[in-house]
Amino acid sequence: QVTLKESGPGILQPSQTLSLTCTFSGFSLSTYGMGVGWIRQPSGKGLEWLANIWWDDDKYYNPSLKNRLTISKDTSNNQAFLKITNVDTADTATYYCARTIAAPSRDFDYWGQGVMVTVSS
Amino acid sequence: DVVLTQTPPTLSATIGQSVSISCRSSQSLLDSDGDTYLNWLLQRPGQSPQLLIYSVSNLESGVPNRFSGSGSETDFTLKISGVEAEDLGVYYCMQATHAPRTFGGGTKLELK
Repeated sequence: QVTLKESGPGILQPSQTLSLTCTFSGFSLSTYGMGVGWIRQPSGKGLEWLANIWWDDDKYYNPSLKNRLTISKDTSNNQAFLKITNVDTADTATYYCARTIAAPSRDFDYWGQGVMVTVSS
Repeated sequence: DVVLTQTPPTLSATIGQSVSISCRSSQSLLDSDGDTYLNWLLQRPGQSPQLLIYSVSNLESGVPNRFSGSGSETDFTLKISGVEAEDLGVYYCMQATHAPRTFGGGTKLELK
């Protein structure tokens, strides 16, 4: 059974760095073709893809967030991480992690419950 | 970035009615490998999104077969043949052919 769960700070101040953790089970990021993505959703709005990391440590980022994103993984502990630097109020959102599969391609077939992050001074 | 335009933004339906949602892409979603990476997701109220259909027309495991997807290149459709109460929520199309991945604006399905 595949499960994912996000964790994060809840509230942080502008200019700080947001650190998110995705802890998953039921698959391994050392398995060929497996990946984890991060997606966010401001309250009442749509979905925005942020980044993916793959079994071979390939990483892909949404250019709209320029160089503020860093995705990483800890294969031994079944975790993926996302850091967003220099946050501001526009980063207030629910952040989801989701499994993705490269071959055969199936994007985001399992999602975590999401973690709400508020950026406020 | 690829822009996905979903219509209608809101859809009112009765139980048992068949409905369709359109997703139009600003670029062809046919990949050089021959596949078309257009997916459909449903986000029920208060829940995380769930994958319904991947690569245009492939039903995700466990998804009822009243859901079907069709289309090619830039025009795609999700059809629900006989809406049930559990189908209410916001539907999103998403493309993974071109970087970065992008989502449509969503279509809210509500009861009439």
